[in-house]
This record gives sequence, structure tokens and C-alpha cells, in this order.
Amino acid sequence: QQQVKQSPQSLIVQKGGISIINCAYENTAFDYFPWYQQFPGKGPALLIAIRPDVSEKKEGRFTISFNKSAKQFSLHIMDSQPGDSATYFCAASIGGSQGNLIFGKGTKLSVKP
Amino acid sequence: NAGVMQNPRHLVRRRGQEARLRCSPMKGHSHVYWYRQLPEEGLKFMVYLQKENIIDESGMPKERFSAEFPKEGPSILRIQQVVRGDSAAYFCASSPVRVPDTQYFGPGTRLTVL
Repeated sequence: QQQVKQSPQSLIVQKGGISIINCAYENTAFDYFPWYQQFPGKGPALLIAIRPDVSEKKEGRFTISFNKSAKQFSLHIMDSQPGDSATYFCAASIGGSQGNLIFGKGTKLSVKP
Repeated sequence: NAGVMQNPRHLVRRRGQEARLRCSPMKGHSHVYWYRQLPEEGLKFMVYLQKENIIDESGMPKERFSAEFPKEGPSILRIQQVVRGDSAAYFCASSPVRVPDTQYFGPGTRLTVL
């Protein structure tokens, strides 16, 4: 019940295309859903996050779509660029005093020029 | 505003030695989390600390691992009698008091056990 399942494991997209990464969860107590971007040898960087009271959040080329009834959320990267090539992790947490994040296994994105 | 700082960035230990990993949170952050990342895997939660208190250590192995966040100084993750399976990247994250789940990660310490 504490798992977050992420797909696909890897993704190849042409420059200018849309990258879509999906995550699903079981625990309905989760109320915070961030996405992290990680480059090789670096720590994860917080990209964008959403709470269940909204169905979509957009920041620049990055959009999170959230479907509470399906217990799914996804990251869309519009106009993908070679510099977006990285590993992306979705995560979830239960708010309040329990802040620890449960991470998906990651999606390795390659954007071809 | 400096980010989360971790040192050392790389640590090599022989089996049976002790490893000490340090983490200084972002200025103004009083919550610290430690995560472990195995190659090609996601991050796994280990422990959540506030100053002088362990809040949640449900992800910590029962033996050989300990963590502290003293009143003064960085948070320390200590691994005693390291084994090859402890080789991993260890990340520290910090968050502000009011939004504990908004976590910012440090660059990590890559531990190699020979």
C-alpha cells in the first residue's frame, strides 16, 4: 500500500516532442505528489509538485495531471529538449508530521536532437 | 542561500570499518531526512530527524545504522562495520518547519565498500 509505481522505465523522445511519465499509488492517505529530476552524479532536484485539491498544475514546460479517482498522476514535458535528458522520479507522501517521501523507481528520459 | 550540503561527496571504506556521512540543511530548515539510493533504483527513506529528535526511523536497518541531528552542527548518518551491500548513494534532504514534505536534496555521498 505504500508503493508508488512508475512507468515507463525508459523513454526516448525527439526534440520538440512531448514526454509523458505516469505514476500510480494505492494509499489514499497520500496528499502530496512531487516530481524530481536527477542528473547523473547529482542529487534529485524538485521540479514541480501537486496536492489532491487540484487536477492539474503547470510550470513552464512541465505539467502535472492528477486523477484522484484513478489514483494516478503524470508528468508532461512539452517541447522536450536534449537538456531535459535525465532520470525523473515521482513521489508521494502523507502530510502533517509524516513527511517522508515514497519514490517511484524512476524513468530515464533521453531526448534526441 | 546555500543549498543542502553533504560531505564527503565520495567515501571509500573497507569491510568492517565505520562510515560517517554529514549533512547540513538549508538555512532556516529544521527537518532532515536521509535516503539511500541503490544503482538504477529509486530513493528509499531511512530516517527523519528534527533538532535533537528522531521523528521516524522506520526505514533504518535495525543494526549498524544510526543517525543524529544535534542542537549544534550537522546531521550525521553513521554506519558501523560496513559491508559490501552498504555501497550506495546516500542523500540528505531538508525541509522548512511549515511544509515538511517539500524537501530539497543535497548532492549525496557515494559510499563504496571494498
